[in-house]
Parts: sequence; structure tokens; C-alpha cells
Amino acid sequence: QVQLVQSGAEVSEPGASVKVSCKASGYVFRDYYIHWLRLAPGRGLEWMGWINPKSGGTSYVEKFEDRVIMTQDSSITTAYMELTRLRSDDTAVYYCVLGDSLDYWGPGTLVTVSS
Amino acid sequence: DVVMTQSPLSLSVTLGQSASISCTSSRSLVYSDGDTYLSWFQQRPGQSPRRLISRVSYRESGVPDRFSGSGSGSDFTLKISSVATEDVGIYYCMQGTHYPMTFGQGTKVEIK
Repeated sequence: QVQLVQSGAEVSEPGASVKVSCKASGYVFRDYYIHWLRLAPGRGLEWMGWINPKSGGTSYVEKFEDRVIMTQDSSITTAYMELTRLRSDDTAVYYCVLGDSLDYWGPGTLVTVSS
Repeated sequence: DVVMTQSPLSLSVTLGQSASISCTSSRSLVYSDGDTYLSWFQQRPGQSPRRLISRVSYRESGVPDRFSGSGSGSDFTLKISSVATEDVGIYYCMQGTHYPMTFGQGTKVEIK
């Protein structure tokens, strides 16, 4: 069955970058977009953008487009989300999610930004 | 961006009683193809969100039929007809009609 396994929790300083991975299995990796969302305390769910594993094409929400980089390595069926120039309000749980209908969610990766 | 407003933000319900959550969008969610891309998600404590309902009223496979969605245009409702212990969690509405997709603030459901 479909499985999304994310990398472990991270603690980063303001101004640094963080890269979260999402290892996918149980389906044909190239066939479905992977979306990235985050859930921040008191701010609800935010959609950050997607990557098309077939082409490597990406689409980022305007709020994040100058700080986020989504990539993928189809040889190991893994997607990545890197967020740069971290701020304290980037503290959140980051999810990779499969498909445009947000059918399958990874377990989430807690990113804490603190000096 | 389309703003999704949920009410109430917190709900305390007696087991077996019904509960309703309202979700209002700042624009009509009817897409050019005639469909309305409004979904409801449930997030149980310690778990990732999961989709319960898509396109206003279509229950996902495995979702109990005590969950129902209704509404049109910009006003939508999620109803739980007989709240069970496993329904505790946070419920989010989400619109996928207009780019970017946006979510409501979430409604926390607890048992009284």
C-alpha cells in the first residue's frame, strides 16, 4: 500500500536552512504530484506547493516562492522540501502529501526554529 | 487568496449527540467545470490529517456514514450525526477551486 516516510525532527537557527525528505513507496512514483503543507501552532494548515516527479516541475505558493525549493530523486522515490532563511514563525510540522486530492499524508516532520 | 472561515472554533459534544461545523468561503467555490471543490479533513490527536469528504458531500472510502457534508456556493456544513469517542480531533475545511488551495482555521471537537 501507499507509504510516505519522512525524515526526523529538526532544530534550526534563524537564518539557516532545513531540508525535509519524503520517501514514497507502494505506487508508481512518477504518476502523482507530491504536495508539501505545513501546520503551524495557531495558524492552521498552509499549502506550500507541489512537485511533479515525472518532469521535476514545481509550483510554489507566492508566500514561499523565494525561500522554498522542492526537488525529487526518482531513482530512490524520494521528494525533498528545503526551506531557506528560516524564521521563528516557520516552526511547524511539515507534511508531504500524495496526489492533487491530498489522498495520502506522511507522518509529518517537526521543524523548530530557535536560537 | 480565498479565505475560509470556520465556526465554531471549538465544540464540546455529548457522546451520541450531533455536531455541526460551518465553513464559509470569501468567494464562490463553484469551478468552471460545474463542480465545487470543497473538502473536509479530520486530524485525530497525534495523527496526520485525513480527508473525510470531497466535493462537498462525497464520503471517502471507510468514512462512517455518520459524517455528512452539505452546502453550495460559499456556505458549507459538516455534520456528525452521532458523535463517537474516535471523532475527537480537529476538523478543517479546504477549498481546491481557486489557486492556491486554502484551509479553514480548524474546529476542535471534544467530548463533554
